[in-house]
Amino acid sequence: GIQVEQSPPDLILQEGANSTLRCNFSDSVNNLQWFHQNPWGQLINLFYIPSGTKQNGRLSATTVATERYSLLYISSSQTTDSGVYFCAVDLNTGANSKLTFGKGITLSVRP
Amino acid sequence: DTAVSQTPKYLVTQMGNDKSIKCEQNLGHDTMYWYKQDSKKFLKIMFSYNNKELIINETVPNRFSPKSPDKAHLNLHINSLELGDSAVYFCASSPHSGGQYFGPGTRLTVT
Repeated sequence: GIQVEQSPPDLILQEGANSTLRCNFSDSVNNLQWFHQNPWGQLINLFYIPSGTKQNGRLSATTVATERYSLLYISSSQTTDSGVYFCAVDLNTGANSKLTFGKGITLSVRP
Repeated sequence: DTAVSQTPKYLVTQMGNDKSIKCEQNLGHDTMYWYKQDSKKFLKIMFSYNNKELIINETVPNRFSPKSPDKAHLNLHINSLELGDSAVYFCASSPHSGGQYFGPGTRLTVT
């Protein structure tokens, strides 16, 4: 099956710092999503980004599908950004869709 | 609120019992899923349904039986619970256009 690798596995930032989280995948994909799992366990959709670049406030993401990677940028980090960031990919579309998750990146933002 | 909802949020039970988790989405999506997150936070698909029909069954033990009474609901029944079933179970749904939307999760603890 498809392999999804995220790096780095852990990241500690001082509040206000910027960071880049990376997701590499082993095959062509039809879907790629970034999620944030907050300390209360909620999985929050950040981006649906099978290709191209999107921005939402302090967060932006870029997927280069031909090179099989995606990057999530966090600027001016805040303590509320702490949690686990998951990248998930899908080879299929429609009714056969299923997400394969990476192991996640644990981010701690210190005040 | 338009969302994916799950009940209960927490479930503590003894080995050998049978329990159910309910999921409902009011987003009008055709496809629904169950994912399991283990103690190391790894997320893996269990089942998917499209318009009440089973599409994906990822070699889950047959003690787990999903049921979809209509396309807005996907329930998960677990028989003869084991210690290893302790996990967080997430329901999700997706539209034809792509992307998956996750519920708040149900934390199951088997003692």
